[in-house]
Amino acid sequence: NAGVTQTPKFRILKIGQSMTLQCTQDMNHNYMYWYRQDPGMGLKLIYYSVGAGITDKGEVPNGYNVSRSTTEDFPLRLELAAPSQTSVYFCASTYGPQASPLHFGNGTRLTVT
Amino acid sequence: GESVGLHLPTLSVQEGDNSIINCAYSNSASDYFIWYKQESGKGPQFIIDIRSNMDKRQGQRVTVLLNKTVKHLSLQIAATQPGDSAVYFCDTGTASKLTFGTGTRLQVTL
Repeated sequence: NAGVTQTPKFRILKIGQSMTLQCTQDMNHNYMYWYRQDPGMGLKLIYYSVGAGITDKGEVPNGYNVSRSTTEDFPLRLELAAPSQTSVYFCASTYGPQASPLHFGNGTRLTVT
Repeated sequence: GESVGLHLPTLSVQEGDNSIINCAYSNSASDYFIWYKQESGKGPQFIIDIRSNMDKRQGQRVTVLLNKTVKHLSLQIAATQPGDSAVYFCDTGTASKLTFGTGTRLQVTL
């Protein structure tokens, strides 16, 4: 199993540009999450999904959108990139709602200038 | 969401010594706790977990202790090695609005 795969690894955007961060998992996990991690800080939840077709906001959803059309994929969309969105983005998945650890991807490092 | 916090942002330990990383939580209803390790440039990785019906669980060189009375969790690493250098996060295993603290950075000195 590849686990959780994120692409791209790095990206530089200009202010106002848009992009999609890809996340896919091959573990048949129902629950998927997007986090951002600013330098020296903890993880903040952006959006999460409990199954295909279901998404919900986390702590810091503004400026982002998600979709979950399949169990495997959970892309994160930035429509109008802003410098405040410069961060490292992690996607994670888990089998069930409780009593199961998260599996993380290795992150996408995004810089908005 | 769950509130978790770390007592110390950075812990420096000599190679071969034991490390203890602490974590406080606020939700007395939490019933599952997880420790993650995050190496530089990588995503967090699961280390060990414990359920609330236990107060101790051991893995390979790691032990997690849970004190529900004072809502405190600790991770003990035996014979700390340079490869243990990383940031360690605790978390409670709920489905939504998982909240991680800043974490504790463990620095292993030679």
